[in-house]
Amino acid sequence: DGGITQSPKYLFRKEGQNVTLSCEQNLNHDAMYWYRQDPGQGLRLIYYSQIVNDFQKGDIAEGYSVSREKKESFPLTVTSAQKNPTAFYLCASSISLRETGNGNTIYFGEGSWLTVV
Amino acid sequence: EDQVTQSPEALRLQEGESSSLNCSYTVSGLRGLFWYRQDPGKGPEFLFTLYSAGEEKEKERLKATLTKKESFLHITAPKPEDSATYLCAVQAVSSYKLIFGSGTRLLVRP
Repeated sequence: DGGITQSPKYLFRKEGQNVTLSCEQNLNHDAMYWYRQDPGQGLRLIYYSQIVNDFQKGDIAEGYSVSREKKESFPLTVTSAQKNPTAFYLCASSISLRETGNGNTIYFGEGSWLTVV
Repeated sequence: EDQVTQSPEALRLQEGESSSLNCSYTVSGLRGLFWYRQDPGKGPEFLFTLYSAGEEKEKERLKATLTKKESFLHITAPKPEDSATYLCAVQAVSSYKLIFGSGTRLLVRP
């Protein structure tokens, strides 16, 4: 089945550690995104990538890093510089904005819970 | 500044009691308005995209409408399985990203 796969579902981070969240999609989408969701708040954009080997910061990129070496993969690293990393992380993908003049629907994975211990 | 506000924050309905959820937005040129459903601990599930004022879309018991300032998600004769958080988001002409509201938590009691 086509879709977006995130792993792991649950992850625990110790103080000072970097952790990496995996995101893989087989929808043949050019664009991929990482969002963070906190209780009672809307989703906030961390990073996005419109094409392989290119990515841009979103609204809350500090303390995070990404790479886009393959079209289907967009891993997110939560570094020790992120002071409040406990949250629900959502990976998403869409066709590129360059392919359509209308809004490009963004599809989401099932999410990963990150907790600091 | 582009902004999305959803109301109410929470809504409790009896099974079969129809109602509407509101999404008010301000955006510098609307490319699209999106509705998602999110179940606890899961990713948002896409429901509808609306592009211009006057547009309407339906799916089972849900109907989404759009004006120049707001969108409504009408739920007709809801069932307990409609219980979820409903998210609204807008995409501006000048941008790539979705701007989300905080969502409306819907609980439908049998």
